[in-house]
Amino acid sequence: ETGVTQSPTHLIKTRGQQVTLRCSSQSGHNTVSWYQQALGQGPQFIFQYYREEENGRGNFPPRFSGLQFPNYSSELNVNALELDDSALYLCASSPQAGGRTDTQYFGPGTRLTVL
Amino acid sequence: DAKTTQPPSMDCAEGRAANLPCNHSTISGNEYVYWYRQIHSQGPQYIIHGLKNNETNEMASLIITEDRKSSTLILPHATLRDTAVYYCIVRNLLSGGYQKVTFGTGTKLQVIP
Repeated sequence: ETGVTQSPTHLIKTRGQQVTLRCSSQSGHNTVSWYQQALGQGPQFIFQYYREEENGRGNFPPRFSGLQFPNYSSELNVNALELDDSALYLCASSPQAGGRTDTQYFGPGTRLTVL
Repeated sequence: DAKTTQPPSMDCAEGRAANLPCNHSTISGNEYVYWYRQIHSQGPQYIIHGLKNNETNEMASLIITEDRKSSTLILPHATLRDTAVYYCIVRNLLSGGYQKVTFGTGTKLQVIP
């Protein structure tokens, strides 16, 4: 059983550019959540995807968007990058069991630096 | 989700038990207590969770008080590799399909040789 994987591990972009981050969920998991973690802070929830649809969103602007694919992998897209978008981006997967809370398992993260 | 309060930092001697406290005085009856840890900018690692009974697994033990207003994570024999930020989180049992995890600032545990 493979865990959650993310790519790339590190990325450097300039202000105004667009970026796509990728996540493969753990085997058997159909729910993917994305988090942003600024330096020295706890992770902040961005949004969650279940069965290819967004079903929950945190306090992030629309330039943060995502996709989930039929194999449950996911992408996080950020448009018009700002300096404050520099952070560790974490993906977490969990099995969805009829609305019950399930344990989320996190990937290693992608470190994004915006110059 | 209920708010949690943790000390910002703790030290523990290598080989001794590390006891990490967490207050969650506003927890409701359908909220679980979860613990994660994060080692130096890696992804958070799930440790353990419980509702009202004490729980134990290969990593740690979780002791929840009878009134459920506080809990303690116990690492029985701390090693240097246990140095990390430990997050105590409460999560609603009935998420309605929406499963975010709300992290606080956690406890920075330093295991000392």
